[in-house]
Amino acid sequence: EAGVAQSPRYKIIEKRQSVAFWCNPISGHATLYWYQQILGQGPKLLIQFQNNGVVDDSQLPKDRFSAERLKGVDSTLKIQPAKLEDSAVYLCASSLRAGSSYEQYFGPGTRLTVT
Amino acid sequence: AQTVTQSQPEMSVQEAETVTLSCTYDTSENNYYLFWYKQPPSRQMILVIRQEAYKQQNATENRFSVNFQKAAKSFSLKISDSQLGDTAMYFCAFMERGTNFGNEKLTFGTGTRLTIIP
Repeated sequence: EAGVAQSPRYKIIEKRQSVAFWCNPISGHATLYWYQQILGQGPKLLIQFQNNGVVDDSQLPKDRFSAERLKGVDSTLKIQPAKLEDSAVYLCASSLRAGSSYEQYFGPGTRLTVT
Repeated sequence: AQTVTQSQPEMSVQEAETVTLSCTYDTSENNYYLFWYKQPPSRQMILVIRQEAYKQQNATENRFSVNFQKAAKSFSLKISDSQLGDTAMYFCAFMERGTNFGNEKLTFGTGTRLTIIP
């Protein structure tokens, strides 16, 4: 079974530029998560999708971050414009369904450096 | 809001020894779940073990076991017969069993970097 795929693995941009990350979850997984992991901290949930609908985006900085999952499969996370404090690893995870009974499977992450 | 605290930023232990990682959490909820995740240097996070708060029996998975003390809000991870492949960041995480099913959120601690010394 293929795992969660993410691209690119690394990205370096200047502040005020825009960037997009892509995630392909495990086939059949209805729930998709985007986490931000700043160096020295644990992952923080940015947004959670159930199929193509948003379940929780309470910690997403909506003035600069956006995410979509149009067909309920792949997802993109965009930052526009980027700030220095957005430097982090962005992790995508998926689970069969939402809730604690279903394990979240994580992708390898995208390391973003904003200069 | 729930908080998860891991007070040991780094630990190291000799191969084959036993090591215990500490985690405390704060919540006013009675129904919740606790997890330990492992993040090796390649950064793909994997679930090590989980514990339901309503279960008094401590969870075990092969060489990994937990000591769950609900009253003390403590959830430590014990790794027995440690192996080189156990070298990783270990994160403790909390999930509330909310009233809005499907909206539970994982809250992570800051992690413990564990190094197994050959």
